[in-house]
Amino acid sequence: DTEVTQTPKHLVMGMTNKKSLKCEQHMGHRAMYWYKQKAKKPPELMFVYSYEKLSINESVPSRFSPECPNSSLLNLHLHALQPEDSALYLCASSQGQVPYEQYFGPGTRLTVT
Amino acid sequence: EDQVTQSPEALRLQEGESSSLNCSYTVSGLRGLFWYRQDPGKGPEFLFTLYSAGEEKEKERLKATLTKKESFLHITAPKPEDSATYLCAVQNTGNQFYFGTGTSLTVIP
Repeated sequence: DTEVTQTPKHLVMGMTNKKSLKCEQHMGHRAMYWYKQKAKKPPELMFVYSYEKLSINESVPSRFSPECPNSSLLNLHLHALQPEDSALYLCASSQGQVPYEQYFGPGTRLTVT
Repeated sequence: EDQVTQSPEALRLQEGESSSLNCSYTVSGLRGLFWYRQDPGKGPEFLFTLYSAGEEKEKERLKATLTKKESFLHITAPKPEDSATYLCAVQNTGNQFYFGTGTSLTVIP
């Protein structure tokens, strides 16, 4: 089973709202990732968790806050977003970081109004 | 600066017309090069990992090859269901990932 699940599939939020995106995998992978993807652009890496610890933060604004409660779950907490943050948010996981292929979830389509 | 460039940006093929997609990379130290397929509105689907120059991997109508500067994804006798965006990504020795901008492939019946 190479499935990564993400909820919700779609999310519309106002600029003053607080919401969370959720990601889950049951493949025993120890690295998990958040990416942001705008239309017709490649995914941009935001955060990497390795063994439940944040190992890479690609200078992402503080209005995005990641959390890894356990090895199977990854959350992305959103607060005071801007319209330009509207995008497809992808979660991925891999066995480790070096250099293992990543398996992606279907994404959450986020619209900020 | 580490960089990944894919060409062409878009490719239209007749069904059965073989071709190749290119991924050129500049990286301080290569840990791995990855090929993914992405359908519209979905997450990328893993295809191949290549680790060192000279390596080749095959899966159905797809074959990926790697040199010290580039990778090719060869598509033999493509079918309409092969239509998708194909993404190349590299991981450097600092464990950072860089994706190319992708090649949008359309296979016409």
